[in-house]
Amino acid sequence: GQSLEQPSEVTAVEGAIVQINCTYQTSGFYGLSWYQQHDGGAPTFLSYNGLDGLEETGRFSSFLSRSDSYGYLLLQELQMKDSASYFCAADNYGQNFVFGPGTRLSVLP
Amino acid sequence: ETGVTQTPRHLVMGMTNKKSLKCEQHLGHNAMYWYKQSAKKPLELMFVYNFKEQTENNSVPSRFSPECPNSSHLFLHLHTLQPEDSALYLCASSLVGQEPSNFRYEKLFFGSGTQLSVL
Repeated sequence: GQSLEQPSEVTAVEGAIVQINCTYQTSGFYGLSWYQQHDGGAPTFLSYNGLDGLEETGRFSSFLSRSDSYGYLLLQELQMKDSASYFCAADNYGQNFVFGPGTRLSVLP
Repeated sequence: ETGVTQTPRHLVMGMTNKKSLKCEQHLGHNAMYWYKQSAKKPLELMFVYNFKEQTENNSVPSRFSPECPNSSHLFLHLHTLQPEDSALYLCASSLVGQEPSNFRYEKLFFGSGTQLSVL
């Protein structure tokens, strides 16, 4: 089967750093993506890891370890507007993207 | 604006109705997808069209019927739906390569979705 696991909820305060973990089990694997979705909005692409290691894009960073079937999204200098749901997605063979259940991030003042 | 437009944004239909969801992408992509998003569940892939040909059908009931007339347009035809089909239906597109290069583009671009309620 193919499945991804993420924490269901995370809460942090403005200015803090938060890490959202994702573990995956897929039959084939190209890489791991992260998407952000605000309530009522479309999921939007944040980052992609095709290789092991850290990818940095501004306040957001993403990490992948293929040997551990694990990745995480790191959000720094949290802002209120970062309150949203975050999904990891495994990019697997056959051009499918399998999504995790999502982590709801609440940023408190 | 993601370059992927879905209509309508909201749809209420009875179980005996027939309706269609429309998706249009202006990004020059060659693959389009339908996803279903239900509360507290992962996005579920329903259909994939690659170069206008359906390549995936993840055991979706026949009351959902996709149509992809060209690489820019995707439809989802609905008939005799059930209340449990109420969900957000998301269209997405991406750019993928042909054999032998198998170039892949790692991003999905999503539309804003159609919130469907079946009464």
